[in-house]
Amino acid sequence: GESVGLHLPTLSVQEGDNSIINCAYSNSASDYFIWYKQESGKGPQFIIDIRSNMDKRQGQRVTVLLNKTVKHLSLQIAATQPGDSAVYFCAEGVSGTYKYIFGTGTRLKVLA
Amino acid sequence: GAVVSQHPSWVICKSGTSVKIECRSLDFQATTMFWYRQFPKQSLMLMATSNEGSKATYEQGVEKDKFLINHASLTLSTLTVTSAHPEDSSFYICSASVGTENSPLHFGNGTRLTVT
Repeated sequence: GESVGLHLPTLSVQEGDNSIINCAYSNSASDYFIWYKQESGKGPQFIIDIRSNMDKRQGQRVTVLLNKTVKHLSLQIAATQPGDSAVYFCAEGVSGTYKYIFGTGTRLKVLA
Repeated sequence: GAVVSQHPSWVICKSGTSVKIECRSLDFQATTMFWYRQFPKQSLMLMATSNEGSKATYEQGVEKDKFLINHASLTLSTLTVTSAHPEDSSFYICSASVGTENSPLHFGNGTRLTVT
């Protein structure tokens, strides 16, 4: 069935280094993708989104890359900080609906 | 902007009782709200889509009589877990959309339900 999955369940990064979190999606018709950050005991927080007519979008310290050919999405965090420690989810917008399919999540641990 | 408030943040109830969770969009009108359930260390599982003024659409495997959803206004949706059992213990999260495609969901901070 349709699914959005992540390659790495846990990612440990040294403070100050760059982080790359990956996501694979299976529905080639999906045209909108979002990255969310979820801290323990809280709801997901919007980080950045990208539409399928783009392959790159930058925010503050974050960049999302979209490769539609291989149906791959990544989130890059520059100069990772302790406050970046959280679980990160990619979400795939189901075309023609307002629904989103969430990936399995990657826990990012920032090492001091 | 785009703040979603969820209440309560945690609740403990006894088996057989019902629990109501509220989800409010504070600074925008949410034509569509979504209810998710999340088990520890797992992803968000969509339970149902709630549209203002109409019946909710439930995902496959979600009992509509067990999880009652009401979306009476453009700023409020409620989820009632009826006759709760310990297996209903979970983290429930609501999200709201302004109702257009390709717009991000805004999430509440979730409700931790523990059924004893």
